[in-house]
Amino acid sequence: GNSVTQMEGPVTLSEEAFLTINCTYTATGYPSLFWYVQYPGEGLQLLLKATKADDKGSNKGFEATYRKETTSFHLEKGSVQVSDSAVYFCALIRKTSYDKVIFGPGTSLSVIP
Amino acid sequence: DAGVTQSPTHLIKTRGQQVTLRCSPKSGHDTVSWYQQALGQGPQFIFQYYEEEERQRGNFPDRFSGHQFPNYSSELNVNALLLGDSALYLCASNPGLAGDLDTQYFGPGTRLTVL
Repeated sequence: GNSVTQMEGPVTLSEEAFLTINCTYTATGYPSLFWYVQYPGEGLQLLLKATKADDKGSNKGFEATYRKETTSFHLEKGSVQVSDSAVYFCALIRKTSYDKVIFGPGTSLSVIP
Repeated sequence: DAGVTQSPTHLIKTRGQQVTLRCSPKSGHDTVSWYQQALGQGPQFIFQYYEEEERQRGNFPDRFSGHQFPNYSSELNVNALLLGDSALYLCASNPGLAGDLDTQYFGPGTRLTVL
């Protein structure tokens, strides 16, 4: 079946540190891939997306590249801020069916000053 | 441009009761999906509505039912509440057959607590 795996958290970083959150997926066909972010007490916000192999999604300093050969979509940011503290969800949707998003379990990030 | 809105924000019920949650999709969107997010977990798909019909359903019992209205807004109903139904319920919308088909936009959620 289709699934998403993320690195386990929580992740704690100092401000201005480099961030990587690993994500790998299993899916039939060529899904679209997403990173969503959830700030404390809030719903999900779309952070970035990529729809085909080698696409790079980027937003607010975050980047992720769709790697078909390794079935990965790792999230990176060069210099994190305290305001980036949140839970990050990697997700996919199959293009053969636009019906549901399949989420990973989430990775909690805490950035300390 | 209003995003996805949900009501109420919080809700407390007791076991065995019934609850109705409401969602208004983003302007221009005609497809609504519902997700359940238990504490510390990723959201799980409940079902999706398009043209007032349930188009696909996840692995949830029949106690979970829904409805979509002609204005595309939607309701999620849960009967015979169990303690395990306590969760954040998220509504998402996307433009269906036009526009950015593969991207779902989420509302702020309704936090349901079952005592």
